[in-house]
Formats: sequence, structure tokens, C-alpha cells
Amino acid sequence: DTGVSQDPRHKITKRGQNVTFRCDPISEHNRLYWYRQTLGQGPEFLTYFQNEAQLEKSRLLSDRFSAERPKGSFSTLEIQRTEQGDSAMYLCASSLVREQYFGPGTRLTVT
Amino acid sequence: KQEVTQIPAALSVPEGENLVLNCSFTDSAIYNLQWFRQDPGKGLTSLLLIQSSQREQTSGRLNASLDKSSGRSTLYIAASQPGDSATYLCAVREMTNAGKSTFGDGTTLTVKP
Repeated sequence: DTGVSQDPRHKITKRGQNVTFRCDPISEHNRLYWYRQTLGQGPEFLTYFQNEAQLEKSRLLSDRFSAERPKGSFSTLEIQRTEQGDSAMYLCASSLVREQYFGPGTRLTVT
Repeated sequence: KQEVTQIPAALSVPEGENLVLNCSFTDSAIYNLQWFRQDPGKGLTSLLLIQSSQREQTSGRLNASLDKSSGRSTLYIAASQPGDSATYLCAVREMTNAGKSTFGDGTTLTVKP
């Protein structure tokens, strides 16, 4: 499978715990995006990487969120001290020029 | 700030009907517009992409149009089938280097057999 992959697909955690998600983009894609989607809403932009550089962060990304893309390959999104409001689908997308390709998402449930 | 609106929020049609989904955006300085399909609990599947210099794109029973000056796009689905039931999202990509997309909240389509 040469598409965008995300791991895990589902994560249930207790409030206050830390979680980390991984995204593997399509191999030649230099741009990688993270979005968050809550029920009944469209995805909202969180952050963007070009190669290993994080070039833009949404104000939705509080200090509890951090993202990395070491060596311009896979990316991780960490949420510290999770809150119930963090429950959502976290989507990763990658692109080379024109089209964004999305992964299957990681569904986070904070209890 | 770009805002994207999709109307209607939900649509139910009998099988075989032709239908149109609407997407409007407030800032016409866009790089492209992409239509996606999302099944419940799943990721996004790209349907059609229209560059800002294009007027329409077609794939099978789907046709998407773009009128940048009026800030509108439509997705036309011909001869709808129950398998077309899903949420359809439009995403407008900005022209800056970031190229992030702003999404509408989608139209949930139900095609009844």
C-alpha cells in the first residue's frame, strides 16, 4: 500500500494521560499536514511541515500539542495531559504539488 | 480568513436521481478546490480536484465546476446509487506557501433504493 498510513487507528485514554500518533506520508511527498475533525464538522487545520521544517501552526494547537517530522519522513503528533475536548479524529495528509492525500485517521477518545 | 459553506447539510434522494451539491467560499484567492468523500468513521477519499485556472473536472458520474469570481463550486452526481451515500466535503486550498486547506462541514447524502 503506497498511501498515507496512520497509527494507531483508535486510541482510548484517560484524561490527563499523554498520547502520541504517527503518520507515514506517501514516500516522495515533501509536505505533510495534520488536521482535527470532530463529529459533524469538517477537518480543521492544525499544523504543516515542508520536509522537516514546521512552517505553520494553527492557534488550535495549544501548548499541550507538539508535532515533529524528523528527517522529513514520518511525523508524530503528541498531546500531553489530554482533556475530554481533545476527543476527535486526527487526520494526516501529504502532498507533493497539487493534491492532498489523506490517511485513514486516528480516532481519539478521552474518558 | 477563508470560510467555506456547504448547503444543504443533508440530502436524501431516491436512487437514479441526478443531484447537485453546493460549496461556497469567501476568498477567491485560491490555489485549488478539492471534493472529498467520507464514509462514517473513515478518512477522506479524493474525488475531484479543480485548479484555480480550470472551470470543471469530470470523473465517471461526477462533474465538479468552479466559479472563482463568485466563490462557488458545485458537485454534480448523475444517476445516483445507494453506494453514493456518504458525506461530501469540499476543501479550498490557499495560495500561500503553506497551502493548507479550509473545509466546509459537508453534505451528508443518502440515496434510497
